[in-house]
Amino acid sequence: NAGVMQNPRHLVRRRGQEARLRCSPMKGHSHVYWYRQLPEEGLKFMVYLQKENIIDESGMPKERFSAEFPKEGPSILRIQQVVRGDSAAYFCASSAYRAREETQYFGPGTRLLVL
Amino acid sequence: GEDVEQSLFLSVREGDSSVINCTYTDSSSTYLYWYKQEPGAGLQLLTYIFSNMDMKQDQRLTVLLNKKDKHLSLRIADTQTGDSAIYFCAESRAGNKLTFGGGTRVLVKP
Repeated sequence: NAGVMQNPRHLVRRRGQEARLRCSPMKGHSHVYWYRQLPEEGLKFMVYLQKENIIDESGMPKERFSAEFPKEGPSILRIQQVVRGDSAAYFCASSAYRAREETQYFGPGTRLLVL
Repeated sequence: GEDVEQSLFLSVREGDSSVINCTYTDSSSTYLYWYKQEPGAGLQLLTYIFSNMDMKQDQRLTVLLNKKDKHLSLRIADTQTGDSAIYFCAESRAGNKLTFGGGTRVLVKP
């Protein structure tokens, strides 16, 4: 059973470009979470999605950031017009959300560098 | 509001026990977790404890939860050099986001 998959693992963008980060949850998981880790810091929640629904986006910056989890395919975190402050590691986690089995399992992360 | 705090750094000799401490503020937390992060890698789930439990043991790992004081600890017995990493505690309410501490960097000296 493959774990949470993220790609690309490393992404370099110039200021003003768009970044698209992909996350495929573990098999059987229908809940996806995105977190951001700035250098030397802990992880901060960004957004929680189920298939075709955004459940909680309280951690998403108001502009330039969007997320989706379509019926088919991976979840996408999209950052438009990137700035240097967007440089960070972006982690995706998935869970099954059954009673007493809602542990989140993390992918390897995408490390975004904005030049 | 939600807040999770950890000490920044712990140095321990190989073979000794390590104890990593964490405090949290959200009394409605249902699950508390310990994750391990090695350099350049993602987060590996080590263990978790449900909020109505006091203790959980899993091989070399022992988690203690003092719900009254909102204090969580992770004890690693017989610490090995491979245990050198950053350890994050995190809390969540049912089906919701994780709130992480800032991480404790553990250095195991031979």
